Amino acid sequence: SSELTQDPAVSVALGQTVTITCRGDSLARYSANWCQQKLGQAPVPVIFGKNNRPSGIPDRFSGSGSGATASLTVTGAQAEDEAVYYCYSRDSSGNHLVFGGGTKLTVL
Amino acid sequence: EVQLVQSGAEVKKSGESLRISCKGSGYDFPNYWIAWVRQMPGKSLEWMGTIFPGDSDTRYNPSFQGQVTISADKSSSTVFLQWSSLRASDTAVYFCARRRNTATNSYYVDYWGQGTLVTVS
Repeated sequence: SSELTQDPAVSVALGQTVTITCRGDSLARYSANWCQQKLGQAPVPVIFGKNNRPSGIPDRFSGSGSGATASLTVTGAQAEDEAVYYCYSRDSSGNHLVFGGGTKLTVL
Repeated sequence: EVQLVQSGAEVKKSGESLRISCKGSGYDFPNYWIAWVRQMPGKSLEWMGTIFPGDSDTRYNPSFQGQVTISADKSSSTVFLQWSSLRASDTAVYFCARRRNTATNSYYVDYWGQGTLVTVS
């Protein structure tokens, strides 16, 4: 299968911890990556290679995973973290990138 | 500073042709893969294809093969996405993105262009 599945929406109280999950066969072979997209903007990388943060991304973002499941955790969510988060990885066939459907994170 | 700068928004009619561009700067342009990603209104991201500007090796998502053409011009550090006959269903934002490999041969994107909105009526 070349699909990645995410919950459509999650919410978290300000300052609390939230985990966003991604499932798909390709994750058993290739690392998951995560990007953040705010309305009307380009995606921004937040985690790559399972748990690496690009320069400038706060350390409250972390990634983990096992088997066909990957997770993005935001520890101490801030109002500015409200966005849609997409997981993606190299496709099982090896040639593509495959994206999840996105999870809308609401910070209450 | 690495930058991917895309061409501006386009409004076209069904059946017209179009080429949009993505200009890279601040890095060794020929030696990094560039991907095109589609985002239809209110939808997720879809990988369309990837090109290696150094030799124009191009890989297409089968869903987009034959529907678009990806090309590159090393001399101007620019990658292109082209349609010969647009459809209303091509209305979307198109992003270019620099694709990298991890040490374990996974893929990731480290830079995105700002996006180009294409509207087809």
